[in-house]
Amino acid sequence: QKEVEQNSGPLSVPEGAIASLNCTYSDRGSQSFFWYRQYSGKSPELIMSIYSNGDKEDGRFTAQLNKASQYVSLLIRDSQPSDSATYLCAVTNTDKLIFGTGTRLQVFP
Amino acid sequence: ETGVTQTPRHLVMGMTNKKSLKCEQHLGHNAMYWYKQSAKKPLELMFVYSLEERVENNSVPSRFSPECPNSSHLFLHLHTLQPEDSALYLCASSQGPRLAGGVGTDTQYFGPGTRLTVL
Repeated sequence: QKEVEQNSGPLSVPEGAIASLNCTYSDRGSQSFFWYRQYSGKSPELIMSIYSNGDKEDGRFTAQLNKASQYVSLLIRDSQPSDSATYLCAVTNTDKLIFGTGTRLQVFP
Repeated sequence: ETGVTQTPRHLVMGMTNKKSLKCEQHLGHNAMYWYKQSAKKPLELMFVYSLEERVENNSVPSRFSPECPNSSHLFLHLHTLQPEDSALYLCASSQGPRLAGGVGTDTQYFGPGTRLTVL
């Protein structure tokens, strides 16, 4: 079983819609959860971090964490073509950051 | 820009060459990391340095040799690589979990990466 699982996509949404990206993790002791955005040919860029159950909002982005279900998600409201990228979920396991393979998001005009 | 720089940005080398990748962080962080990113695979942690001491070595082949002379600089020395080592090599830095008040608050920031091709 992969430690951090994401659907590779692509997830295609029209401009202005809500994009929902999901991630599950295997280690119940995980404490910190991150979403990174990676444009093609570029390095990962931190979008959101979340540490406790519930929702955390930052502009058009909302991270949702459910530790009981070992599930973390990222919602992008009013999606723009510039949001087209690969979104990496990362989970802290003790001092190590474990990444998923990423979900490719395509926002079409 | 995240405050983490890497050189060179692109590198093509033969299997018998020796080269080095350089990373520098301007964030005052105490921990630095090397990751490998291959197509269709998750980011793989290679090495971790905390306060210039290596704290993680993830079963990386000895043809990769890290060096951390101070908390701002990190090198990855390469020799006798294989074609399957071709990948994007990413450096990251963070404040360091102990100084950040616990694992939960330590955030890693990435450099732009070095695209390595081994012929």
